[in-house]
Amino acid sequence: KAGVTQTPRYLIKTRGQQVTLSCSPISGHRSVSWYQQTPGQGLQFLFEYFSETQRNKGNFPGRFSGRQFSNSRSEMNVSTLELGDSALYLCASSLGPLEGNEKLFFGSGTQLSVL
Amino acid sequence: DAKTTQPPSMDCAEGRAANLPCNHSTISGNEYVYWYRQIHSQGPQYIIHGLKNNETNEMASLIITEDRKSSTLILPHATLRDTAVYYCIVRVGTGRRALTFGSGTRLQVQP
Repeated sequence: KAGVTQTPRYLIKTRGQQVTLSCSPISGHRSVSWYQQTPGQGLQFLFEYFSETQRNKGNFPGRFSGRQFSNSRSEMNVSTLELGDSALYLCASSLGPLEGNEKLFFGSGTQLSVL
Repeated sequence: DAKTTQPPSMDCAEGRAANLPCNHSTISGNEYVYWYRQIHSQGPQYIIHGLKNNETNEMASLIITEDRKSSTLILPHATLRDTAVYYCIVRVGTGRRALTFGSGTRLQVQP
């Protein structure tokens, strides 16, 4: 069974641009959640999607958005990029929604550098 | 979700057992204890989780104290590939809750 696939693996953008990251969950998994990881703040939750609906959102500005398609694939978008958005963006999939007793399976992440 | 406290770093000799402690003194009755690890430049990997009883799988064992205020993750025979940051997380079993990762323990397995 293929794991969680994130594309692209590396991305370089400049301030003010926008970026779209993609995540394909494990086959059969319907929940996708996104995380930002930086050396200073660690791993922080961005949002979760289940059955094409956003169920939960972390404390990030509106420049960060996402969506989920009917095949459970998910994209996240960051508009008007800032230097501080440079980070490793991770997505995780799980069978069911994030309600406690489930395991998360993470992709390898997209390393975004904003110049 | 309850707050967890872990030592920032630990060393372990290759082939020996690695015992990683986690304190979660404010845990409530319906909160699970989860362990994930993150090897450099990769996404976190699920290891094990439990509620009250000790658990064992092919990767590790989880020992939870009777009062549930602390737990220990045991890697029975550590290898160099077990060098990683280990995160202990507690969270409720129901409700719309995201996973909150703390700072974790950086385990260095020495040859």
